[in-house]
Amino acid sequence: EIVLTQSPGTLSLSPGERATLSCRASQSVSSSYLAWYQQKPGQAPRLLIYGASSRATGIPDRFSGSGSGTDFTLTISRLEPEDFAVYYCQQYGSSLPMYTFGQGTKLEIK
Amino acid sequence: QVQLQESGPGLVKPSQTLSLTCTVSGGSISSGGYYWSWIRQHPGKGLEWIGYIYYSGSTYYNPSLKSRVTISVDTSKNQFSLKLSSVTAADTAVYYCATVPAATHVFDYWGQGTLVTVSS
Repeated sequence: EIVLTQSPGTLSLSPGERATLSCRASQSVSSSYLAWYQQKPGQAPRLLIYGASSRATGIPDRFSGSGSGTDFTLTISRLEPEDFAVYYCQQYGSSLPMYTFGQGTKLEIK
Repeated sequence: QVQLQESGPGLVKPSQTLSLTCTVSGGSISSGGYYWSWIRQHPGKGLEWIGYIYYSGSTYYNPSLKSRVTISVDTSKNQFSLKLSSVTAADTAVYYCATVPAATHVFDYWGQGTLVTVSS
């Protein structure tokens, strides 16, 4: 089973700043099957990025994804107040098949 | 736009079977191209995929839960269901249903989630 490790656990930033969130896999992941989600308290997760770098429908262009192999990054170029939330990465392993999530990064207001 | 709504008991006794249903609107389970999935989130914790079903009835489950999980589909009602047997307090969680496009294998539409508490 592929394990996804997200860092940092908590990221404290101010509105307007740039956020860089990391997702590291225990073994190589297909870029086609790496996604990022945003979750706010009391809500279901919302898909942000799929295929490592493609924005989901309606997602602002301040959100971008990059990476390959075992290292992936979600970047929020300029934080808006509504961006403070928990972010999860997720991968799909076709050999099993199996879906796994990282443990999450909490983005909080500094 | 596809909408999903979970329903079922919010309280289940230990050793009993947890049963939830997801009702789909705005799209047809029978149209193909999607896997219909269940995910759970323990209080204050991360996300755990439980399993999925295709409209044809084929299923795949998380190996860690496989012995206790059954997912079924009722295309006539546009619903799919989850049964988790022999529950313990460790199964207390918010349970979500979600759609998974077969092409991208991401969870693109989610229900609002339902909290199920296992307690006597």
